[in-house]
Amino acid sequence: QSALTQPASVSGSPGQSITISCTGTSSDVGAYNYVTWYQQHPGKAPKLMIYEVVYRPSGVPDRFSGSKSGITASLTISGLQAEDEAHYYCSSYTNINSWLFGGGTKLTVL
Amino acid sequence: QVQVVQSGSELKKPGASVKVSCKASGYEFTTYGMNWVRQAPGQGLEWMGWMNTNTGNPTYAQGFTRRFVFSLDTSVSTGYLEISSLKAEDTAVYYCVPSAEYFFDYWGPGTLVTVSS
Repeated sequence: QSALTQPASVSGSPGQSITISCTGTSSDVGAYNYVTWYQQHPGKAPKLMIYEVVYRPSGVPDRFSGSKSGITASLTISGLQAEDEAHYYCSSYTNINSWLFGGGTKLTVL
Repeated sequence: QVQVVQSGSELKKPGASVKVSCKASGYEFTTYGMNWVRQAPGQGLEWMGWMNTNTGNPTYAQGFTRRFVFSLDTSVSTGYLEISSLKAEDTAVYYCVPSAEYFFDYWGPGTLVTVSS
């Protein structure tokens, strides 16, 4: 199975909103509401930001939101802050009981 | 509070083996599966598979079915990843991630394995 497709990079200015897309297939993103988003700062372990498409774990700011339409999931960050600069990875459960990650998106806060 | 401690960095020669440990605490060990995720330098995340800590049954992702072995010692709440016949392309950070849900919320700090002659 191929990795989920994410843009390599996105950027935005402080206070703006950005959206990162994550495109899969009918066997993964399109089949389950088990899409997850992770944030990873350099040299650190990934951090769970969104699970089951739309849910935020405790402690994650409500500036982060998730959605899904068909085979494409999205992560939106509103009111961009400098500390949001990081890599973001989507992930989805698949129909062969496995997990797929996206290639990752580098978010630059200008 | 779930805590995950992994063994330290390793430097190995091609052809050697390495065993990475992952000790979890803060929950009943056999109630969370143990996932393993690889991240090569400058690259993305790759799910390697998981270990059912209740049955001891491993599941390996495509590409991780020959030289990679998951194991457990439930008496010390520890999971292991062993990689044999190491190659340069195995150089990566290996994360263990205990999980009881359809997401990964407790990531270990990662173990860097460097394969170089």
